[in-house]
Amino acid sequence: SQQGEEDPQALSIQEGENATMNCSYKTSINNLQWYRQNSGRGLVHLILIRSNEREKHSGRLRVTLDTSKKSSSLLITASRAADTASYFCATDHLQGAQKLVFGQGTRLTINP
Amino acid sequence: EAGVAQSPRYKIIEKRQSVAFWCNPISGHATLYWYQQILGQGPKLLIQFQNNGVVDDSQLPKDRFSAERLKGVDSTLKIQPAKLEDSAVYLCASSLTPRISGANVLTFGAGSRLTVL
Repeated sequence: SQQGEEDPQALSIQEGENATMNCSYKTSINNLQWYRQNSGRGLVHLILIRSNEREKHSGRLRVTLDTSKKSSSLLITASRAADTASYFCATDHLQGAQKLVFGQGTRLTINP
Repeated sequence: EAGVAQSPRYKIIEKRQSVAFWCNPISGHATLYWYQQILGQGPKLLIQFQNNGVVDDSQLPKDRFSAERLKGVDSTLKIQPAKLEDSAVYLCASSLTPRISGANVLTFGAGSRLTVL
């Protein structure tokens, strides 16, 4: 299966701390994306990193990509209660139709 | 711009009954996707359309699931007959054609939650 694996499955931290989530995948990719899903809602795109990029920033988000290890990490700095959600990595693989394959997600809880 | 519209938001049926979900993508988005998300899991692609043609339906249980996008705009996903394991959220998403946008970034609807009793 091409599906990514995320680690940890659940993460609980205090407001103001940084949160780091990891994603690993098995086959070569065009790009890797991170999405957020609030409870009972659809997924929202956060950030995309292409296979020739190593790091990308967007506001309080920092994404890294290591294609040699087939892994990515999402760092959320200075977390807020509103960051409580599930976070999914999605990989766009080189083979087959350009479809996104989602991981199982990390459930992040920010405690006030 | 308007988002991806889905209906109904919630549906409860008994096993062996049928159900249909509707999706209206963002205007101008040629690619439309249906994902199934079981509680506690990531979304799993059921079917992908490019305009009104099917690009990928390899994970669609074709003995009970069907989907169409007749005019290349809105789409309907049908389940008949439903099984208990079909209880899930059915997410519709759309995107610009990747060769135009440069990447496959999806915009999701809020989803349709199905409970099969």
